[in-house]
Amino acid sequence: DAGVIQSPRHEVTEMGQEVTLRCKPISGHNSLFWYRQTMMRGLELLIYFNNNVPIDDSGMPEDRFSAKMPNASFSTLKIQPSEPRDSAVYFCASSLMGQGAYGYTFGSGTRLTVV
Amino acid sequence: DAKTTQPPSMDCAEGRAANLPCNHSTISGNEYVYWYRQIHSQGPQYIIHGLKNNETNEMASLIITEDRKSSTLILPHATLRDTAVYYCIVRNTGANSKLTFGKGITLSVRP
Repeated sequence: DAGVIQSPRHEVTEMGQEVTLRCKPISGHNSLFWYRQTMMRGLELLIYFNNNVPIDDSGMPEDRFSAKMPNASFSTLKIQPSEPRDSAVYFCASSLMGQGAYGYTFGSGTRLTVV
Repeated sequence: DAKTTQPPSMDCAEGRAANLPCNHSTISGNEYVYWYRQIHSQGPQYIIHGLKNNETNEMASLIITEDRKSSTLILPHATLRDTAVYYCIVRNTGANSKLTFGKGITLSVRP
């Protein structure tokens, strides 16, 4: 199993541009999570999906952020327009929920720099 | 999810056991204790979890007190590669539960 795959690994963009981060969860997992990590705020949960349906997006900072999961094997996190304060490492994780105490498997993250 | 309290940092010598404490005095009966770690620049990695019995796997052991208000993660023979931030998290296993990370404890393994 290749694990959770995120792309790109690094992204540098100019303020105002649209940014799309991508995630492929582990096959068979039914839950997907997007986290953001900064030095100031640590690891924050932005949004999570169960069976491709968004369950809790209370962590999404503002309307500039949106996330989709069109099928069980793909999710995107979009920022439009991007701002310098969005610079962070964005992690995607997947898990098998509802059937016991399973751990999350995290991807390697996307390091986003907005200049 | 119930909150946890961890000291900000600790260190240990390579080859010795590292005992990482965690307090979770408000844990509910259906909440598990999870441990994750994050090595610099990598995504968090699942280590172990438990409900009330002690648990052991190839990475670590988890000791949970009888009243479940605290736990200890034990790395039996720490190596330099175990230097990381370790997170203790409590959560239930409901379909809509989520993993909320605190500040964790920074473990530094010295040669």
